[in-house]
Amino acid sequence: AQSVTQLGSHVSVSEGALVLLRCNYSSSVPPYLFWYVQYPNQGLQLLLKYTSAATLVKGINGFEAEFKKSETSFHLTKPSAHMSDAAEYFCAVMEYGNKLVFGAGTILRVKS
Amino acid sequence: DTEVTQTPKHLVMGMTNKKSLKCEQHMGHRAMYWYKQKAKKPPELMFVYSYEKLSINESVPSRFSPECPNSSLLNLHLHALQPEDSALYLCASSQERGGPADTQYFGPGTRLTVL
Repeated sequence: AQSVTQLGSHVSVSEGALVLLRCNYSSSVPPYLFWYVQYPNQGLQLLLKYTSAATLVKGINGFEAEFKKSETSFHLTKPSAHMSDAAEYFCAVMEYGNKLVFGAGTILRVKS
Repeated sequence: DTEVTQTPKHLVMGMTNKKSLKCEQHMGHRAMYWYKQKAKKPPELMFVYSYEKLSINESVPSRFSPECPNSSLLNLHLHALQPEDSALYLCASSQERGGPADTQYFGPGTRLTVL
């Protein structure tokens, strides 16, 4: 079975600082990886996805992620945090049969 | 339009009640999903419908009964639930092009409280 591990259940950054949210995957085959964001009391919104076309993936709201096979990582970054980025972020891997398996999530806090 | 709608937004029910959650999408997607998300936890897959047929049931108790009347609608019928079933129930849909890279689009969820 495939899985993802998100390092850090809570991350706090200052407004304007770099955002780095960590995700490592475990997969015996090339994985399909996703980052979703969830604002309080809302559903999940796709930020970006990796499908092997390019290792650097650009998403919405200025986020991007780099797939590194050697490190089995798919970390999410944003150069400059905004207050509106405060939310919970989930890394996920797609298993056979369209089953999305989510990491435990990382809550991002942005300080003014 | 990438909208998945869910009704109701909130639902409070007793353990003897029967209720239903509804999910709708008009994106022409042929795969639809139910997820359960407990507080401070990630979503967990419950059911997958592909071309209106149940393709995945993640060993969900029979007190949860999914139904897919047509390609745009997905229901989740609830009966004799337990307080531990209180959670956010999320619906999602995807194109079902046959590959694992289909993007799943999520609805806003139904917040269910079982008393």
